[in-house]
Amino acid sequence: DADVTQTPRNRITKTGKRIMLECSQTKGHDRMYWYRQDPGLGLRLIYYSFDVKDINKGEISDGYSVSRQAQAKFSLSLESAIPNQTALYFCATSDLAGGPDAYNEQFFGPGTRLTVL
Amino acid sequence: AQKITQTQPGMFVQEKEAVTLDCTYDTSDPSYGLFWYKQPSSGEMIFLIYQGSYDQQNATEGRYSLNFQKARKSANLVISASQLGDSAMYFCAMRGPTGNQFYFGTGTSLTVIP
Repeated sequence: DADVTQTPRNRITKTGKRIMLECSQTKGHDRMYWYRQDPGLGLRLIYYSFDVKDINKGEISDGYSVSRQAQAKFSLSLESAIPNQTALYFCATSDLAGGPDAYNEQFFGPGTRLTVL
Repeated sequence: AQKITQTQPGMFVQEKEAVTLDCTYDTSDPSYGLFWYKQPSSGEMIFLIYQGSYDQQNATEGRYSLNFQKARKSANLVISASQLGDSAMYFCAMRGPTGNQFYFGTGTSLTVIP
C-alpha cells in the first residue's frame, strides 16, 4: 500500500461548489504539506502543518483552508471553487527536522487532478 | 523573491549520453537542503537525490549526481547514460533551515531521443 494517499484522484466540479481533498499517510511523519502544480509554475505551497495543533499558511493560501484531523490526516478545502483553482494538487509529508543538515526528504502522494468549470 | 531558478524549460539528450540540468538557488541561510525530483507523465513525484549545505562531497545516487557549487549557489543534476525512461519533468527544490520552507523551481522537461 502507498505511504501517502490522496482522495479523490480526479475531480471535476463547478464554480462555487465546496470541495475537499483528503490526504492520509502511514509514514508516521509529523509534517504535512499541500501544494498545487500549474504548468510552467512548478509546485507552490498552499498550507503546511507540523503537528495536529499547528497550521501555517504557505505562499498561496487565499481561497483555501485546511484541517489536520490527526497526525495521519490532512485535508484541503476549497470553500467556493473558482476556475483558476484548476490544477494538480499534491500532499506531501516529511519527518521532523533532525538538525541543521537533516535529510528530511518530502514524500509525495499521487496527486489529485482538480478541474473547476 | 524566487528561491529556485531552473532556466531550461526543455532539454533533449541522445540515449546513452549524459545530460546536465541546471538549478540555481537563493538563500542567506547557512543551513539548507537541495533536492531533485522526477515527475514522469503519470504525474507522481519521485525523489532522486539530496545535497545538504554542509556536505563536503557531491551527492551521487546511481546514474544521478549533483554538481554542488556552493559559492555559485548552483546545484545541477547530472544524469549519466540516459535512458528512454528518463524522459520526464525534473524539479529542483530547496528546504530551509527549519524545514518549514520548501521551494520548487519551475521544472525542466527532459526528452531522451533513441
